[in-house]
Parts: sequence; structure tokens; C-alpha cells
Amino acid sequence: EAGVVQSPRYKIIEKKQPVAFWCNPISGHNTLYWYLQNLGQGPELLIRYENEEAVDDSQLPKDRFSAERLKGVDSTLKIQPAELGDSAVYLCASSLSGTGSYEQYFGPGTRLTVT
Amino acid sequence: SQELEQSPQSLIVQEGKNLTINCTSSKTLYGLYWYKQKYGEGLIFLMMLQKGGEEKSHEKITAKLDEKKQQSSLHITASQPSHAGIYLCGADIAYAGGTSYGKLTFGQGTILTVHP
Repeated sequence: EAGVVQSPRYKIIEKKQPVAFWCNPISGHNTLYWYLQNLGQGPELLIRYENEEAVDDSQLPKDRFSAERLKGVDSTLKIQPAELGDSAVYLCASSLSGTGSYEQYFGPGTRLTVT
Repeated sequence: SQELEQSPQSLIVQEGKNLTINCTSSKTLYGLYWYKQKYGEGLIFLMMLQKGGEEKSHEKITAKLDEKKQQSSLHITASQPSHAGIYLCGADIAYAGGTSYGKLTFGQGTILTVHP
């Protein structure tokens, strides 16, 4: 079974440029998460989807960040414009809700460097 | 997250030694999840604990959740170089009514180095 797929793995951009990350969750997983992980820290939730609906986006900086999961499968996270402080690893995870467990499966992440 | 504290922040042990990593929550937990992360990679699920006093084991790794459901420990017996990595606890914090928020809050991680 394929795991969570993310692309690109690495991205270097100049500040003020836009950037987009893509995630394909494990087949059948209805819940999808985007996390931000700074160096030496644990992941911080940006947004959580249940199917197509964003059920928790309270931590998403909506002035520059946006996300979509149009068909309830893969998802895109966008930053426009990027700032130096956005340099981090962006992780996508998926899980199967309704089981009483939030065991999440993580992708390898996209390492973003903003110069 | 200030809601969740891990200790120690880093740990260096000799191969074959036992070690323990702690995770303490300021709030009652609905569930506690342990993950392992290697540099440049995503998180790998290890174990989930939900019941107070619960203990689970997988190979040489044992995790416990205390009775009050606010602290968990991860214990590795006879450590090996393959155990090296970053260990993260993720807390599913309980609402006042005892139900789940449906999301995980992670600690800052413990960096484990095992010298052969």
C-alpha cells in the first residue's frame, strides 16, 4: 500500500514569491492534515480536513496561506507571498476517522527555504 | 507546545543501555500517541494509549500512560543504533466533558543518539 505522497520534497524560493505544496493521502483516508514543523520543534497543525470540509483551520495564517481539498482526496497548500519566517518543513498526514483513534500516517514532508 | 512537555530534550546512550523519555500534559488526555522521526523524514507511528494505566509494548519499546492520564513514558530496553532518531509524543487533549478535540498537539521531541 502506498503511503502519503508529498511533492516537491524540497523548494527554495525568494521572499514574496508564491509556492504550492501537494499531498496525496493514503487511499480511503478521509481525514487530511497539514502541519508546519520548525527545526527542533514538533509539528504544529495548520489545517484539518474531513473529506472536502476544512473542520479546523484556526491555526492557518489566512492572510497568506490557503489550502484546498476539492474532491476529498489530494490537497494543495499555498503560500502567497512567502516570507523568510515561512522556512520550515510542511508535513501532510492522513487518517481514517470514525475509528476512535487518530493514528496519523505522515508523508516525508516538503522542506521550504525562503531566501 | 506549552501544553505538552517532553524530557529530556536530548539523550545520548551507549548501545545496550535502557532509557526513558517522558511526556507531561498540563491537561487531561483523551489519548496519547508516540511517534518516531528520522531527520528529513516524516513521522512513524509507534503506539497509542487511551486508558489510564495502560501499557503497550512493541519489540523493545514500551509505553505507559499514568492513571490520571496526564503523563506518559516511553522506555527502550537494550537500545540499538536503529533506535536513534527523534521521539515525539502527540496529545489528544480531552474536552471538559471528556471527549476528544480530534487533533493532536505535539511535544518538541527528544533527540536520541545511540553509540555503538
